[in-house]
Order: sequence, then C-alpha cells, then structure tokens
Amino acid sequence: GAVVSQHPSRVICKSGTSVKIECRSLDFQATTMFWYRQFPKQSLMLMATSNEGSKATYEQGVEKDKFLINHASLTLSTLTVTSAHPEDSSFYICSARDRGGPNNEQFFGPGTRLTVL
Amino acid sequence: ELKVEQNPLFLSMQEGKNYTIYCNYSTTSDRLYWYRQDPGKSLESLFVLLSNGAVKQEGRLMASLDTKARLSTLHITAAVHDLSATYFCAPGDYNNNDMRFGAGTRLTVKP
Repeated sequence: GAVVSQHPSRVICKSGTSVKIECRSLDFQATTMFWYRQFPKQSLMLMATSNEGSKATYEQGVEKDKFLINHASLTLSTLTVTSAHPEDSSFYICSARDRGGPNNEQFFGPGTRLTVL
Repeated sequence: ELKVEQNPLFLSMQEGKNYTIYCNYSTTSDRLYWYRQDPGKSLESLFVLLSNGAVKQEGRLMASLDTKARLSTLHITAAVHDLSATYFCAPGDYNNNDMRFGAGTRLTVKP
C-alpha cells in the first residue's frame, strides 16, 4: 500500500515551453501533497504544499506564477513549470500524506527528471 | 525555522566496519524519518521514529531518536557494498506539514 506515482519520469523540453508533472496517490486519499526539487548532489528542498481544493502554499523564494500547482482531487496533484529555462532543470519529487495511515506519513513518488535545453 | 544538520556529509567505509551517522535538528519535533536515496532514484523510507528513546533496526541499520537532545543516529553495522547510497534524515511533527531534510550523508562502502 501507500504508493505514489509520478508522470512523466523523464522529460526533455526546449527553453520557453511549459511542462506538466502529475503526482498520484494510487491506493489512498491524500488531502495534502508536497512538491520538492532536488539539484544534483543536493538535498530535497520543499517548493510548495498542495491541499486538495485550495490554493497551494509556496515556500519562500519559489515563484507561484512559474510553478503552477493544482490539486483538483484527493489522488492527483499537478505541477506545471511554465516557460521553463535551463536553470529549472532538476529532479522534481512529489509526496503525498496518508491521513488514513497510522503515522500520518508522507510517501514519495519516483521523481521526474526535467531537462530544459 | 527548523534547521537540520547531518554529519558526516561524506563517508567512505570498508566492508565489515561499523559507523554512525548523526542528525541534529534545531526545534522540537515529535518524530523523525530516515530515508535512503540511490543515484537517480527517489527516496526509500527506512525508519519512522515516533517517540523519545525510539530504536528501530532493520538488517545492518539501526536508528535511534533522542527528542530531548534533538538528535537521531543511524548506525551501520558490518557494512556491505549494497549499503552505498545517500541517507537523509527529516524531523517532522504529526500535525505539521513541514518536513525538512538534512543535507544527506553520501555513504560509499568499499570492498
């Protein structure tokens, strides 16, 4: 149980295009999902917290107009990187919190590697 | 703001040796998570430590939590090559959305 999927796993795009990443909780309902970014050889940095049916909460320094987050259902959150540039190239990881689980734990998706040319 | 410090950041070990990774954090947290990350992969949950004094063991890894000292340790016993990975700690609270990660400890186990 507690499986989180992400799609796509890898994407390469041209500078200036927009890229959408999906995060799904497959076997539980997630009222809260989280988006992280990880640059090479660095730790995970929280970008935003996504609550179902409401606006996402962004961490300081993360542009909400550039990283659009939608959490339209209890099992799906999307992150859209708008007008992507090479500096947006990174490993994006989502997690979903299983409120129905015993520990209110976050479960992580497999990640999406974005390369912007 | 919660700050999380892991040390060492890099660890090269011989197979069969023991070592401990330390995780210090700056504010009160009632639980702590340890994760493993292999290159190019996402996080794999290793341990969830839910209370002061909690100790959990899985194979050659043992994790402990001292909430009063704001310290968690990940002890490696008789290391094997398969343990080579990056290990992250992350303090958290049951009702708190925030989970901040340490910088990670990159472990290399040499034959």
